[in-house]
Amino acid sequence: EAGVAQSPRYKIIEKRQSVAFWCNPISGHATLYWYQQILGQGPKLLIQFQNNGVVDDSQLPKDRFSAERLKGVDSTLKIQPAKLEDSAVYLCASSFPGLSYEQYFGPGTRLTVT
Amino acid sequence: AQKVTQAQTEISVVEKEDVTLDCVYETRDTTYYLFWYKQPPSGELVFLIRRNSFDEQNEISGRYSWNFQKSTSSFNFTITASQVVDSAVYFCALNTGFQKLVFGTGTRLLVSP
Repeated sequence: EAGVAQSPRYKIIEKRQSVAFWCNPISGHATLYWYQQILGQGPKLLIQFQNNGVVDDSQLPKDRFSAERLKGVDSTLKIQPAKLEDSAVYLCASSFPGLSYEQYFGPGTRLTVT
Repeated sequence: AQKVTQAQTEISVVEKEDVTLDCVYETRDTTYYLFWYKQPPSGELVFLIRRNSFDEQNEISGRYSWNFQKSTSSFNFTITASQVVDSAVYFCALNTGFQKLVFGTGTRLLVSP
């Protein structure tokens, strides 16, 4: 069974530039998550989708971050404009709906903002 | 509010030693799930175990074992006879309503030969 796919794996941009990350979840997983993991910290949830609807985006900095999951399958996370403090690993995860189900994570995208 | 505390930032052991990683959680919900994930140097988080709040039975899987105690709000993870391949960052996580997974800050385990 294919896992969660993410691209690109690495990205270096200058501050004030824009960047987009892509995620393709495990087939059949209705729930998709984007996390931000700053070096030395645990992942922090940015946004959660159930199919193509947003369930939780309370920790998403909406002035610069946006995400969509138009067809309820793959998803894109965008940052515009990027700040130095956005340097982190962006992890995508997917799961079946329900709090008992474990989340499966992709390999992440390491973003460096200079 | 939900919170997970992993007080051990880094642990170093020699191969074949036993090691316990501590996890303390806070929640007012009566129904919740606890998880452990492993993050090797490659960066991908790997699911290890799930435990629900109504099941305090300890679990053993090979060299791994987990001790869940509601009385102390702890969900500790023990690796028996550690190996170099166990070197990674280990995260404890808590999931209550709305599937919001809250992670601890992680414990880095270094196993030397």
